[in-house]
Amino acid sequence: NAGVMQNPRHLVRRRGQEARLRCSPMKGHSHVYWYRQLPEEGLKFMVYLQKENIIDESGMPKERFSAEFPKEGPSILRIQQVVRGDSAAYFCASSLGQGGSGQPQHFGDGTRLSIL
Amino acid sequence: TQLLEQSPQFLSIQEGENLTVYCNSSSVFSSLQWYRQEPGEGPVLLVTVVTGGEVKKLKRLTFQFGDARKDSSLHITAAQPGDTGLYLCAGPASGTYKYIFGTGTRLKVLA
Repeated sequence: NAGVMQNPRHLVRRRGQEARLRCSPMKGHSHVYWYRQLPEEGLKFMVYLQKENIIDESGMPKERFSAEFPKEGPSILRIQQVVRGDSAAYFCASSLGQGGSGQPQHFGDGTRLSIL
Repeated sequence: TQLLEQSPQFLSIQEGENLTVYCNSSSVFSSLQWYRQEPGEGPVLLVTVVTGGEVKKLKRLTFQFGDARKDSSLHITAAQPGDTGLYLCAGPASGTYKYIFGTGTRLKVLA
């Protein structure tokens, strides 16, 4: 009964390094979303992917951030040349149906990224 | 731009009290979802409301979707310390594939 699995749970990087966050969706789910959450705030949409395709990346900064969801393996959110402002909790969610259809999203427990 | 505003932002009450939190927008949503998030964890889906005027009950929690599908409320009866957490509403942004999340209501129930 595996839910959405994210790893690592905590990630510490120095400024200028790369951060890779992984998300394995629930079994049978082919729709993945990434969100960012700052302390005391709600979730901000970053990107929506289906298998091998980026569908909507309107919430993701155009520089330094990228996401993929390969045919095999987890979805990856990649942040290059991290800066202090990238420190946040990053959540992944998966759903059975297409984004925007009202299909419920199931969330992982997030990766807490800290930039030194 | 569609927005979801939640109120109150913070709420601290005694065990046994009732409370209502609100999720409001000037835009129509095809559906709204409510989540509860505890510290260090991801949001957990509580309910999805789809039809205008719909009321759903989940034990001591009652969810209502406004007739015009622009707002929703969550009422908790006889709150317990286990209800403590961040309550988030969310809905699909029209014409897109993404979901918009509300600003959240942080509830603390004191024993």
